[in-house]
Amino acid sequence: DAKTTQPTSMDCAEGRAANLPCNHSTISGNEYVYWYRQIHSQGPQYIIHGLKNNETNEMASLIITEDRKSSTLILPHATLRDTAVYYCIVRTGGAGGTSYGKLTFGQGTILTVHP
Amino acid sequence: DSGVTQTPKHLITATGQRVTLRCSPRSGDLSVYWYQQSLDQGLQFLIQYYNGEERAKGNILERFSAQQFPDLHSELNLSSLELGDSALYFCASSIRQVAAGNTIYFGEGSWLTVV
Repeated sequence: DAKTTQPTSMDCAEGRAANLPCNHSTISGNEYVYWYRQIHSQGPQYIIHGLKNNETNEMASLIITEDRKSSTLILPHATLRDTAVYYCIVRTGGAGGTSYGKLTFGQGTILTVHP
Repeated sequence: DSGVTQTPKHLITATGQRVTLRCSPRSGDLSVYWYQQSLDQGLQFLIQYYNGEERAKGNILERFSAQQFPDLHSELNLSSLELGDSALYFCASSIRQVAAGNTIYFGEGSWLTVV
């Protein structure tokens, strides 16, 4: 699976948009971009994923660049409860290989939302 | 609530002992993943099962073993426990073995403390 690079930490004011960047310059054509978050010692929570097109759901928006080498997770109106570690993961699809679809977590970005 | 159920939530045991952690995947999910998260390490992939068969192996120690039963629940067995095995153990599930477009959902974890 392709490696990702994320900033170690970011701050955001409550009520403002939080924009979390991720670089995945070695991503290949069949790899999806996934975002998860982990609030202190809880199970990782799925946020959103995409392949090529921008995606939006009730939690967030995912913007993927045209060359797919980077993406941005947007939390439109951050709240204190959004303080967490955010993981950007690229994940292989399709049969064959040894990954069989597992998620490989990096260190993630610690997002702190301030009042 | 992700729909993935893990028991027990907390467990304290002595060095040298053996414990079993149990996971019930989301209804209809065929694939189960186990992850370990200790204080000084990130989320480490241990092993994956699909419909009862082992599919991928990560950084799982020989003292650890897992299986997935015909009803699709899974157990992670940890034996000859050492202090360093103290960690959060997460189970996750997804509906299919591969196809990166399908989502993996995590349980809330089992806290293991070895004293």
